Amino acid sequence: LAKTTQPISMDSYEGQEVNITCSHNNIATNDYITWYQQFPSQGPRFIIQGYKTKVTNEVASLFIPADRKSSTLSLPRVSLSDTAVYYCLVGGYNTDKLIFGTGTRLQVFP
Amino acid sequence: SQTIHQWPATLVQPVGSPLSLECTVEGTSNPNLYWYRQAAGRGLQLLFYSVGIGQISSEVPQNLSASRPQDRQFILSSKKLLLSDSGFYLCAWRDSWSGVTEKLFFGSGTQLSVL
Repeated sequence: LAKTTQPISMDSYEGQEVNITCSHNNIATNDYITWYQQFPSQGPRFIIQGYKTKVTNEVASLFIPADRKSSTLSLPRVSLSDTAVYYCLVGGYNTDKLIFGTGTRLQVFP
Repeated sequence: SQTIHQWPATLVQPVGSPLSLECTVEGTSNPNLYWYRQAAGRGLQLLFYSVGIGQISSEVPQNLSASRPQDRQFILSSKKLLLSDSGFYLCAWRDSWSGVTEKLFFGSGTQLSVL
């Protein structure tokens, strides 16, 4: 199982770009990298998923270098509503046991 | 479309009392099912997961158990609750088919307070 390491917390201001990096040194060939967002008293929700290079959707971008041992979630122009905990999860279709890391608590200030 | 139902939303139980939390999934077949627990201000702890009816893998808890009596039903139980069982319990599912990448879908959670 690929263990993930993220910063415990990050602070930002509204309108800034936020980059959260996740380290997963022992990622397997079949593993994908998925990021989730969790608000207090809610279940995490899917943000973005990727295998390599760059993936972009309407809310975020995901950058994965060639060696895939890390990934960076990029949130453009954050707002107060982006204050949440962000988790990266590594696993593939053959990964039944899905273990989350500690997550990164992002605080956005006005 | 697929939906996941988890209940109750909140629960207050005395120490030593039993527990039963239920989770059901609609709109999919043979999903992988998961129970996670989140202590206040902490991360997600995997408690149990199941890849099929009657198949339960236990990760951590000693006084909690899980069962999967039907394909899309997952139950978390305890015979005697401890204070340390307080937390936010989340049920989740994902497709188990080969070729579908893992993406977890979570329920709305149960906030359990053991007093």
